[in-house]
Amino acid sequence: GAVVSQHPSWVICKSGTSVKIECRSLDFQATTMFWYRQFPKQSLMLMATSNEGSKATYEQGVEKDKFLINHASLTLSTLTVTSAHPEDSSFYICSARAIGGGSYNEQFFGPGTRLTVL
Amino acid sequence: EDQVTQSPEALRLQEGESSSLNCSYTVSGLRGLFWYRQDPGKGPEFLFTLYSAGEEKEKERLKATLTKKESFLHITAPKPEDSATYLCAVQAPGSNDYKLSFGAGTTVTVRA
Repeated sequence: GAVVSQHPSWVICKSGTSVKIECRSLDFQATTMFWYRQFPKQSLMLMATSNEGSKATYEQGVEKDKFLINHASLTLSTLTVTSAHPEDSSFYICSARAIGGGSYNEQFFGPGTRLTVL
Repeated sequence: EDQVTQSPEALRLQEGESSSLNCSYTVSGLRGLFWYRQDPGKGPEFLFTLYSAGEEKEKERLKATLTKKESFLHITAPKPEDSATYLCAVQAPGSNDYKLSFGAGTTVTVRA
């Protein structure tokens, strides 16, 4: 149980284009989903927290207009990187917090999406 | 600001050579301490959650313990498949109760 998927697993795009990444909780409902960014050989940095049906909360220094987050249902959140530039190239990972049961506090992570902007 | 420091940065072990990883933390009111395993190019895999000092949890060759200032992840008789980066994260009350603050990780390499 507690499986989170991401799509696509990798994407290469040209500078100036937008890229959408999907995060789905496959076998549980998640009121809260999180988006992280990880640079090579560095740890995960939280970008934003999204709750189903409400606006995302962004961490300090993260541009809201650049990283658009939508959490339309209890099993789906999307991250859109708008007008991507080479410095946006990174490994983007989502996680979901399960509701109910004994695992209410754990976050389960997706496999990540490698974004390369040329 | 929550701080999480993991040591050592890297650990090279011979198969069967037991060792421990350290995670020291500075938070106001720990809600939970989490251990994850991350393989290259993949997302973190949940291992354990610890909530209070003195708590211990085990899973196969891994055992996690917690004190008021640090947590240890003990690897007993490791195998090559235990090679990975082990991440520690803390959760504390604040504007975002569910935010995880991660340490930089310890990369473990187990040689056959």
